[in-house]
Amino acid sequence: AQSVSQHNHHVILSEAASLELGCNYSYGGTVNLFWYVQYPGQHLQLLLKYFSGDPLVKGIKGFEAEFIKSKFSFNLRKPSVQWSDTAEYFCAVNYYNAGNNRKLIWGLGTSLGVNP
Amino acid sequence: DAGVIQSPRHEVTEMGQEVTLRCKPISGHDYLFWYRQTMMRGLELLIYFNNNVPIDDSGMPEDRFSAKMPNASFSTLKIQPSEPRDSAVYFCASRHQGFPGNTIYFGEGSWLTVV
Repeated sequence: AQSVSQHNHHVILSEAASLELGCNYSYGGTVNLFWYVQYPGQHLQLLLKYFSGDPLVKGIKGFEAEFIKSKFSFNLRKPSVQWSDTAEYFCAVNYYNAGNNRKLIWGLGTSLGVNP
Repeated sequence: DAGVIQSPRHEVTEMGQEVTLRCKPISGHDYLFWYRQTMMRGLELLIYFNNNVPIDDSGMPEDRFSAKMPNASFSTLKIQPSEPRDSAVYFCASRHQGFPGNTIYFGEGSWLTVV
């Protein structure tokens, strides 16, 4: 079965520190890639997505992610985090399976805490 | 535009009772998803519909869970009988097939506690 791995389950940073959250997936074919964010007590919201083209994708709130096909990775980055970035971050991968059905699989999430 | 609307937002119920969660997808979206989120298992896809037809229900944990989508603007997820291990946040989400249709929009979730 295909899988999405988020290596860091819990990350704690101080404000202004740089952030990189890892995401690796196992599917070797064409994929679409997403990062979603869930702020405390809120629902999931799209942070950024990659479909094709420039592998460096810029999202909302200063986040960006780089698709490296050779490494099956889509890591999320932010140069300088803020306290308001405290949230759960989910990586998701969309692909078509052997039956030509669209599949979306999720990582287990990374909990980010930012100390003021 | 209104987003995905779920109800109830919070429900506390006793073990053995029937629970019904409701969802109204974004108008025009032809895919609807039910997810469950727990601390232990993260975000799990339970079932999804395309044009009101269930496509993949392999994530439904057991027969106590059932989902229906009688029309394009309404879906229910029912648990009967409920058990304490069903306590979780249940998210409904919808998506449009067309480009950039791969973006999924989530509702605010239904926070279920079974005591």
